[in-house]
Amino acid sequence: QKEVEQNSGPLSVPEGAIASLNCTYSDRGSQSFFWYRQYSGKSPELIMFIYSNGDKEDGRFTAQLNKASQYVSLLIRDSQPSDSATYLCAVNSLHGSSNTGKLIFGQGTTLQVKP
Amino acid sequence: ETGVTQTPRHLVMGMTNKKSLKCEQHLGHNAMYWYKQSAKKPLELMFVYNFKEQTENNSVPSRFSPECPNSSHLFLHLHTLQPEDSALYLCASSHQANRDSYEQYFGPGTRLTVT
Repeated sequence: QKEVEQNSGPLSVPEGAIASLNCTYSDRGSQSFFWYRQYSGKSPELIMFIYSNGDKEDGRFTAQLNKASQYVSLLIRDSQPSDSATYLCAVNSLHGSSNTGKLIFGQGTTLQVKP
Repeated sequence: ETGVTQTPRHLVMGMTNKKSLKCEQHLGHNAMYWYKQSAKKPLELMFVYNFKEQTENNSVPSRFSPECPNSSHLFLHLHTLQPEDSALYLCASSHQANRDSYEQYFGPGTRLTVT
């Protein structure tokens, strides 16, 4: 089982619709969850992070976290063609008693917003 | 300059060459990371430095040698690479590399081609 799983897509939505991107993870001890946006040929850009169960809203973006189900999602309202990109889910991974952590990335979901 | 910078942005090298990638962060962070991104694969963590100390070596071949002289600078020294090492190499930084895994910010990347 992959540590962080995302549907690779492409997910195609019409302009103005809500895009829903999903991610599941395997490490029950994970505490920090991140969404990155990556345009083709560019580096990942952090757009949202969430640490607590529930919803976190920032502009047109809403991150949702359900630790019991080991599930995190990203909703994009009023989708625009400029939102077309690959969205990477990242989850922190703990090292037992070590104080160090690292991020594990999913393979990303490609979103296409059609005008 | 602000954020995380990387040089060079593009590099073509032969299998017998020696080259170095440079990363610099202007965010006042204490942790720096090297990632490899190949086509159709998730981001792969290579190395983590926390307060100049290497805390993670993700089973990276010895032909990749990192160096972190201070919290703001990170290098990746390359020698006798293989064609399969061709990829986008990304540097990132965060406040610390700890259990809470503070959010990471990426540089623009170096596109490496090994011929």
